[in-house]
Amino acid sequence: DVKVTQSSRYLVKRTGEKVFLECVQDMDHENMFWYRQDPGLGLRLIYFSYDVKMKEKGDIPEGYSVSREKKERFSLILESASTNQTSMYLCASNLQGAETQYFGPGTRLLVL
Amino acid sequence: QKEVEQNSGPLSVPEGAIASLNCTYSDRGSQSFFWYRQYSGKSPELIMSIYSNGDKEDGRFTAQLNKASQYVSLLIRDSQPSDSATYLCAVVNTGFQKLVFGTGTRLLVSP
Repeated sequence: DVKVTQSSRYLVKRTGEKVFLECVQDMDHENMFWYRQDPGLGLRLIYFSYDVKMKEKGDIPEGYSVSREKKERFSLILESASTNQTSMYLCASNLQGAETQYFGPGTRLLVL
Repeated sequence: QKEVEQNSGPLSVPEGAIASLNCTYSDRGSQSFFWYRQYSGKSPELIMSIYSNGDKEDGRFTAQLNKASQYVSLLIRDSQPSDSATYLCAVVNTGFQKLVFGTGTRLLVSP
């Protein structure tokens, strides 16, 4: 079974804090993705990575950065958290050439 | 125009009925289509994929694709209360393997 895990299920941070969200997959997938999900807006792609140390901007990269130092781990970084970044963050992964994505359980982030 | 459109619902059906969920997409070159189910507070899980025009059946689920009309639908037969969830339609954009999601349709199945 594919397993994608995320470091926290719930997180509360203050405005201006630096926030790290971690995602780990155990299936040797090349591609990893970070989405945020908001009511009425659906899932929106923030960043994705198709290889170690590679990253590509998604549809809403502003205010975020990512890091992929190892194949199994993809981190999302909020350099200075703001209240409009309160959201559900979902990580996903898949094999190169595959289209089906497997999702982690999600991190619900609240920025006060 | 949104790239993938779904009626947000809720779509309410009685137990045992057929639930019909619809999705339209704008990228005429799209070749791959997916339905994900998402329970409240949980992450999406894949339930169906379809790549060719026509119907694809898997148990109580049938996905239907019409590329000429740019729509994809999901039928759930013999709906159960456990089917109550939000159903997300996703389409792979031409170019990179990027999934574009609709905002989802909330389905409520009443006992």
